[in-house]
Amino acid sequence: GAVVSQHPSRVICKSGTSVKIECRSLDFQATTMFWYRQFPKQSLMLMATSNEGSKATYEQGVEKDKFLINHASLTLSTLTVTSAHPEDSSFYICSASAPSGVNSPLHFGNGTRLTVT
Amino acid sequence: QKEVEQNSGPLSVPEGAIASLNCTYSDRVSQSFFWYRQYSGKSPELIMSIYSNGDKEDGRFTAQLNKASQYVSLLIRDSQPSDSATYLCAVNGNYGQNFVFGPGTRLSVLP
Repeated sequence: GAVVSQHPSRVICKSGTSVKIECRSLDFQATTMFWYRQFPKQSLMLMATSNEGSKATYEQGVEKDKFLINHASLTLSTLTVTSAHPEDSSFYICSASAPSGVNSPLHFGNGTRLTVT
Repeated sequence: QKEVEQNSGPLSVPEGAIASLNCTYSDRVSQSFFWYRQYSGKSPELIMSIYSNGDKEDGRFTAQLNKASQYVSLLIRDSQPSDSATYLCAVNGNYGQNFVFGPGTRLSVLP
């Protein structure tokens, strides 16, 4: 089945620094990947849609200059949280679907737990 | 705006009982429907998909779809404490990459 790998699984950084999270589709090519954020006991919130070879589409309220997304190849998308602050501490999850039509489910990476101190 | 609604719960059922999770969606042209399970602190994992009206069974899980009523449900038979998790309903429209997730229903199976 389709496998999405996300790295790192956990990161602790100091306020003001930047953190890069990688998302890879291991056995399929993903022209589109999705980045979600989830705060404790809350729902998944879509942050942005990452499109290979073009600019990402951000959801309303998500700062594109703060959450930089790069989808440079069909198997890799990265999310960089720039100038991180404690309020950015959250669980970040990427996902992708194998391009076999409208019935393809989303497969999720294992998520990255970001803690900003 | 496309919406997917679920009762947030918690839904508590005794071990061995049937758990019934419900989901409604607003976009009438939705094509595919998925149920995900999310354990606390983990990412969602796909457990069922359904595309046609009716029932689809996979082990202890049965997904039911009624497109006329814009309703999809998940039944878990012989519920186990390990089934305790949040269950997310997801709907995909006819554009392909247009997934909308419900807020999830928290299920607690009591031993």
